[in-house]
Order: sequence, then structure tokens, then C-alpha cells
Amino acid sequence: AQSVTQLDSQVPVFEEAPVELRCNYSSSVSVYLFWYVQYPNQGLQLLLKYLSGSTLVKGINGFEAEFNKSQTSFHLRKPSVHISDTAEYFCAVSETAGGFKTIFGAGTRLFVKA
Amino acid sequence: DGGITQSPKYLFRKEGQNVTLSCEQNLNHDAMYWYRQDPGQGLRLIYYSQIVNDFQKGDIAEGYSVSREKKESFPLTVTSAQKNPTAFYLCASSIATGVNQPQHFGDGTRLSIL
Repeated sequence: AQSVTQLDSQVPVFEEAPVELRCNYSSSVSVYLFWYVQYPNQGLQLLLKYLSGSTLVKGINGFEAEFNKSQTSFHLRKPSVHISDTAEYFCAVSETAGGFKTIFGAGTRLFVKA
Repeated sequence: DGGITQSPKYLFRKEGQNVTLSCEQNLNHDAMYWYRQDPGQGLRLIYYSQIVNDFQKGDIAEGYSVSREKKESFPLTVTSAQKNPTAFYLCASSIATGVNQPQHFGDGTRLSIL
């Protein structure tokens, strides 16, 4: 069965600094990978997804993620964060065969300081 | 605009009471989901439905029930058998049943015990 580990529960960073939110997964088959963002008291919004092809995926709001099959990782990056990026970020994984479930990580709270 | 509407935004339950959370979508999506979100635990799947009049249990279905009489609607009932119902509940939908489809989320219902 697949699982997702987000390695940091909280990441504080200063405005305009770069940030990386780490995500590792475990699966015995190929996977699809997603990053979602959740602002306070709202639902999740899709930031980006990896289905196949290029391992570097660009998403909305200047975020990008790189799929590394050998490291089983899908880390999210942004070169320069804004105050408005303060939110919780969830990594999610679905197996490409056998199953109908998307597993979500526990979330990483990004806190951007002025 | 297409989207998912959850109501109410806040809900209070008395001991021994059943309460129903509403979820309506106008995205013409086949698949719908209910998740429970607790702090530090990410999202846990309660129930999901791939087509009208069909639904399956997720990981934490005990104490919950659902129906899918219409494509647009997937209400969740939190029964008195659910002993710890205080949480943030999120409804989601996706175009089809494939796990490569990202999910679209409503803005959630926060349920508390009186």
C-alpha cells in the first residue's frame, strides 16, 4: 500500500527567500503525485501534478516540483515566497494500478514572515 | 462558476443527535468523496462514490453514512455512533474514477460538539 511522508510539519521562512517543502512516498508500483494548498478555513486547491513525462513540473503561483523516482520524492519549491503563500501544503499520491484511492500527507504549514 | 458547495460552514451537534452535512457540485463530475481533517493528520477518507446509487467505505467509515441519489449531491450523515465527531469535513469531486484525476474541494464544514 502506498504512503506519503511530509518531512516537515512547519516551515518558517522570510519573505522573498526560497523555500522547499519535502515529500517522500512509498509504493510498489508507479504513482501519480500531487501538491495541494489549503488556506485557513478553506478547501484544498491543486497546485500541480505529475502524471508522466518531464520530472520537473510547474504549477500555479510560481511553484514547481521535481519527481525523483530513485529517491521516491516529490519536493515542492518556490524561488521567492510572498506573505500570501502562508498556508498549509499537502502532498498526495495515487497508485497507477489497482485501487481508487489518493493518499494525502499530514501537511506542512508554511509561515512566511515579513 | 462551477464548483463544490458545502453547507453549513459551521455545525454543532448535541449528544445522541445525527447531523447531515450537505455537498453539491455543478462540475458534472462522476466521482465524489468525503474526507475528515484533524490537526496534524492530513485528510482521511470516509466514503467515496464513483457513480449514482453506488458508494464505498473509506478508511474511517464507522459512525458515518452517505447517499448518492443524484449525480450532483453526496450528503454525509454523522450519526450518534461517531463518538469523536469534532473535525473539519471536506467534500471533493473528480471528473472520473481514475486516480490520475485531481480532486476539486469544497470549503468545508466545521463540526463541533455542544
